Amino acid sequence: DTEVTQTPKHLVMGMTNKKSLKCEQHMGHRAMYWYKQKAKKPPELMFVYSYEKLSINESVPSRFSPECPNSSLLNLHLHALQPEDSALYLCASSHTTGTNYEQYFGPGTRLTVT
Amino acid sequence: KQEVTQIPAALSVPEGENLVLNCSFTDSAIYNLQWFRQDPGKGLTSLLLIQSSQREQTSGRLNASLDKSSGRSTLYIAASQPGDSATYLCAARGGGNKLTFGTGTQLKVEL
Repeated sequence: DTEVTQTPKHLVMGMTNKKSLKCEQHMGHRAMYWYKQKAKKPPELMFVYSYEKLSINESVPSRFSPECPNSSLLNLHLHALQPEDSALYLCASSHTTGTNYEQYFGPGTRLTVT
Repeated sequence: KQEVTQIPAALSVPEGENLVLNCSFTDSAIYNLQWFRQDPGKGLTSLLLIQSSQREQTSGRLNASLDKSSGRSTLYIAASQPGDSATYLCAARGGGNKLTFGTGTQLKVEL
């Protein structure tokens, strides 16, 4: 099973709302990632978790708050977002050791901020 | 800072044609290079991964090559089909489990 699942598929939220995106994998991967992708642009890395600890934060605004409660789950908590935060949010996972690994991506959550 | 560029940005070919997509990266100190496919509004599907020590990888009608010294990778698609229509992204892996994505090539295969 090489599946990464993400919920919800679509999310519309106001600028004062609080919502969460969820990501799950059962491949035994210990690295998990959040990416943001705007239309017709490549994905941009936001956060990397390694062994449930945040290892990379690409200077993401604090209105995005990641959480890795266990080795299979990754959340992205959203609060006080701006319309320019509307994008496709992609989760990915991979092994952490060695160089021979692939990142497996989920289908994404399409977020619209109104 | 790693920069990854893909040429062409868009490509339209008739069905059955063989084609080559190009990927260039500025920092040759990479661990591997991964090719992805993305359908509109969807996630990324991994196609091929080439280790830094490898020259090429093959999967079905797809063949990817890597020349680290020149900072280039190519994705060769044989006998293209309409179902191959998608955006193709290359991504170079550097330190810290970070992938740097290219700008993408939007491919359309016409009947």
